Amino acid sequence: DAGVTQSPTHLIKTRGQHVTLRCSPISGHKSVSWYQQVLGQGPQFIFQYYEKEERGRGNFPDRFSARQFPNYSSELNVNALLLGDSALYLCASSPNRDSLNYGYTFGSGTRLTVV
Amino acid sequence: AQKITQTQPGMFVQEKEAVTLDCTYDTSDPSYGLFWYKQPSSGEMIFLIYQGSYDQQNATEGRYSLNFQKARKSANLVISASQLGDSAMYFCAMREGRGTYKYIFGTGTRLKVLA
Repeated sequence: DAGVTQSPTHLIKTRGQHVTLRCSPISGHKSVSWYQQVLGQGPQFIFQYYEKEERGRGNFPDRFSARQFPNYSSELNVNALLLGDSALYLCASSPNRDSLNYGYTFGSGTRLTVV
Repeated sequence: AQKITQTQPGMFVQEKEAVTLDCTYDTSDPSYGLFWYKQPSSGEMIFLIYQGSYDQQNATEGRYSLNFQKARKSANLVISASQLGDSAMYFCAMREGRGTYKYIFGTGTRLKVLA
């Protein structure tokens, strides 16, 4: 079975540009979460979507937005890129939102470099 | 406020020896889950082990065990019989019962297994 897939794996953008990152969850998983991991730090929560609705949002500016599609795949959009947005962006999927004892499955991430 | 603290930036262990990675946490929610993830250089976060706040026994998964001391708010990961492939970053994380959808991660410990 395919795991969580993210695309692209790497990309380089210029300050002020826009970027779209994509995530396909494990088949049957309805929940997708996005995390930002800056070099040398642990991942920070950005969004969670469940059944196409936003269920949680971390402390990120409005330049960050996301959506989930009917097939449960998801996009993370970042506008007006800043140098500080350079990071590994991780997507995680789970079957549902409320099971505390389930360890989410993460993808390998998209490494974004803003120059 | 919920918080995860990992005080060991880096650790070395000899192959076949056991190693303990420290994690302390802070939360006011009586219902929470504690997780350990492994992150190799590829970037993917690999789920290792879970401990629930109401679990009476320490969790074990193969060579991984979690030394859960609730009164001290610690959840240390023990890796037995270390292997060269265990070299990676290790993150401790928590999810709370009231907001089960997001992880709070620590800053991680980089483990290097020596041949």
